[in-house]
Amino acid sequence: GQNIDQPTEMTATEGAIVQINCTYQTSGFNGLFWYQQHAGEAPTFLSYNVLDGLEEKGRFSSFLSRSKGYSYLLLKELQMKDSASYLCAVRFYGQNFVFGPGTRLSVLP
Amino acid sequence: DADVTQTPRNRITKTGKRIMLECSQTKGHDRMYWYRQDPGLGLRLIYYSFDVKDINKGEISDGYSVSRQAQAKFSLSLESAIPNQTALYFCATSDINEQFFGPGTRLTVL
Repeated sequence: GQNIDQPTEMTATEGAIVQINCTYQTSGFNGLFWYQQHAGEAPTFLSYNVLDGLEEKGRFSSFLSRSKGYSYLLLKELQMKDSASYLCAVRFYGQNFVFGPGTRLSVLP
Repeated sequence: DADVTQTPRNRITKTGKRIMLECSQTKGHDRMYWYRQDPGLGLRLIYYSFDVKDINKGEISDGYSVSRQAQAKFSLSLESAIPNQTALYFCATSDINEQFFGPGTRLTVL
């Protein structure tokens, strides 16, 4: 199978930093994506990693280790509006995307 | 204007009814997808299409069928709806590096 694992829920405080981890099976890997999804809305693209290392985009960064089948999304200077679900998705050869169950992040004042 | 649109946005129907969900895109992408989302299960792939003549089953295709009428249009049908098909349905398109999602259709089967 192509299982993708993420923590179900996380809680953090406004202004803090939070790291959301994602692990996946490495066979056929061809890119990893992070999406943000507010309740009842469509997922929106945050980041894309295909090579090892850190990709930074404003307050959000995403890291990938292909050999370990591991990625994380780092959110800095948390804001209340960052309360949402964060979806890790892996593209496998053949352009098929497989999504993890999502991590529901609650940002508290 | 939205790049990926879905109709209807909400639908309540009864067990046994035939339902069609429609998706249109103006992004010019060849690749289109249908997903369903259930609480705690993330997005699961129902069907996908890499071009007009290409249709592929996804992880959970049983009970569903699709039609790719044109590059811009990809429809999902439930031939005989059942209550466990109650879910939020998303259409998506993709280029090489990103998927773009429609706003979703909330379907309730009574």
